[in-house]
Amino acid sequence: LAKTTQPISMDSYEGQEVNITCSHNNIATNDYITWYQQFPSQGPRFIIQGYKTKVTNEVASLFIPADRKSSTLSLPRVSLSDTAVYYCLVGGLRAAGNKLTFGGGTRVLVKP
Amino acid sequence: NAGVTQTPKFRVLKTGQSMTLLCAQDMNHEYMYWYRQDPGMGLRLIHYSVGEGTTAKGEVPDGYNVSRLKKQNFLLGLESAAPSQTSVYFCASSPPGTSGILNTGELFFGEGSRLTVL
Repeated sequence: LAKTTQPISMDSYEGQEVNITCSHNNIATNDYITWYQQFPSQGPRFIIQGYKTKVTNEVASLFIPADRKSSTLSLPRVSLSDTAVYYCLVGGLRAAGNKLTFGGGTRVLVKP
Repeated sequence: NAGVTQTPKFRVLKTGQSMTLLCAQDMNHEYMYWYRQDPGMGLRLIHYSVGEGTTAKGEVPDGYNVSRLKKQNFLLGLESAAPSQTSVYFCASSPPGTSGILNTGELFFGEGSRLTVL
């Protein structure tokens, strides 16, 4: 299983861009990289997923370098409501089953 | 469309008591998971299932049992609850991917079940 390492926390201000980098040095060939957002007292919510290069959706962008040993979640122009814990998840489905394990997450605090 | 529903949402147990947490999903997903989350911590995988009738151990399976008798339900059991099992439990489900081996399903989580063992 690919282990992930993320910063424990980071602060930002409204309107700024927040970039969170996740390290996953032993990522396997058939592993995807997925990011989740979790608010207090709620289950995590899917944000974005990618395999390589860049993926963008309506809420975030995901940058993955060619060696795939890290990935960066980019949240453009954050607001107070983006204050949450963000988890990087690395894994993939295999014929023998799937273990999707979470790292410690990054606690993002957006200040006014 | 309810998604993933967990019952009960809150429960207080005494040490040694048993209980079952029920997870139900109405999305026809193949994969289901049970995680626990302790205060200020990330999620740890307890058990998971890749299909009806199959279960497998995750990171922290000791003290828990699971069953997947029906595709839509995944039950988590505590036979003899201990204070160390005080936690918030999250169930998730996931469809299989669509790209052969290069696939991973998005996880859909329930709202959590807060369990306190005294």
